[in-house]
Amino acid sequence: EAQVTQNPRYLITVTGKKLTVTCSQNMNHEYMSWYRQDPGLGLRQIYYSMNVEVTDKGDVPEGYKVSRKEKRNFPLILESPSPNQTSLYFCASSLRGQGFYEQYFGPGTRLTVT
Amino acid sequence: AQKVTQAQTEISVVEKEDVTLDCVYETRDTTYYLFWYKQPPSGELVFLIRRNSFDEQNEISGRYSWNFQKSTSSFNFTITASQVVDSAVYFCALSELMNRDDKIIFGKGTRLHILP
Repeated sequence: EAQVTQNPRYLITVTGKKLTVTCSQNMNHEYMSWYRQDPGLGLRQIYYSMNVEVTDKGDVPEGYKVSRKEKRNFPLILESPSPNQTSLYFCASSLRGQGFYEQYFGPGTRLTVT
Repeated sequence: AQKVTQAQTEISVVEKEDVTLDCVYETRDTTYYLFWYKQPPSGELVFLIRRNSFDEQNEISGRYSWNFQKSTSSFNFTITASQVVDSAVYFCALSELMNRDDKIIFGKGTRLHILP
């Protein structure tokens, strides 16, 4: 089944404790992206990747890191989480970038930073 | 700069009524793509439609229809004879083809309640 998976689905952590949210897709998509969803703010893009070893900042990249060592994986790293990073996070992928193609979204990761 | 405005934060209608969700966008590019996504209460995001800037034909898919008007920079979404299962948050999104940084901008979403 074609899908985007994220782990964990729920995470409660404390300020400053490094964490990684994994994202994997099995569709051989070139483009992958991370979003955060906050009430009243909609979906905001954090980082995206056009292909392996190519990443770029979205609109809200501060406090996040990403890497794209393999085509299928695009982990989101919070080196020192803070309470303002409490949010619902979505990973997405599409066949290619440049907005041609629709995105397939993972199920979401609800992160709480205390 | 890119911008997507969904002015309706929340809408409630009674089942079987028609409802239109508004989406207004801003872009400097002549080539761009517009999208609608649905987020039901279960939380996943589901693609509904993509439209490129050169195709102003309206689209109909069952009870769903989309009206794209470049003159008013709008890409509105209409649900005819709404059903309770249509209750969801709906997002409009914009991507500029010539945008070097390949960002995708989403609106803040419209939460639609269909009342039985």
